[in-house]
Amino acid sequence: AQSVSQHNHHVILSEAASLELGCNYSYGGTVNLFWYVQYPGQHLQLLLKYFSGDPLVKGIKGFEAEFIKSKFSFNLRKPSVQWSDTAEYFCAALYNQGGKLIFGQGTELSVKP
Amino acid sequence: ETGVTQSPTHLIKTRGQQVTLRCSSQSGHNTVSWYQQALGQGPQFIFQYYREEENGRGNFPPRFSGLQFPNYSSELNVNALELDDSALYLCASSLEPGAEQYFGPGTRLTVT
Repeated sequence: AQSVSQHNHHVILSEAASLELGCNYSYGGTVNLFWYVQYPGQHLQLLLKYFSGDPLVKGIKGFEAEFIKSKFSFNLRKPSVQWSDTAEYFCAALYNQGGKLIFGQGTELSVKP
Repeated sequence: ETGVTQSPTHLIKTRGQQVTLRCSSQSGHNTVSWYQQALGQGPQFIFQYYREEENGRGNFPPRFSGLQFPNYSSELNVNALELDDSALYLCASSLEPGAEQYFGPGTRLTVT
């Protein structure tokens, strides 16, 4: 079955630390991948997306993600986090250009000032 | 450019009742998808509408139904509400079914 899994439920970092959030997706055909962020009290926002081409994609607010097909992974990274990055992060996949976004369970990131 | 909007923001219903949630898609988007997000979970796909036709459905019973209107706005209807239907209901719109989806703020439904 098509699925997305996120490795960490809750990550706690200090400001300026580097961030890497893991995401793996199951095999199921052509896949488009996304990272969404949900800041406290706000709605889901698209951070970045991968459809094809360069496997290293850059998003908003200094985030980037790398698509590694051989590992079925799409990890999110940021070199130096800020307190304002405190939020819940969701990895999601669209298979075979369908409309059903499949989400991981989310990773809560807490950044200590 | 107006983003995705949803109404109402919050709703409290009693078990067995029926509810209608509404969504206005982002300008230029002809595809609307609905998701249910339980506390502490990722959103779960309910169904998608493309040009007023259902274009895919998740593992939700038939008492979850929807509509899309000619202006591409959409409704989610839930009949015979159960306690487990308490969740945040999210609407997302996109340019086409396989494109990235943009989410609204959600409707928080509480069933007592």
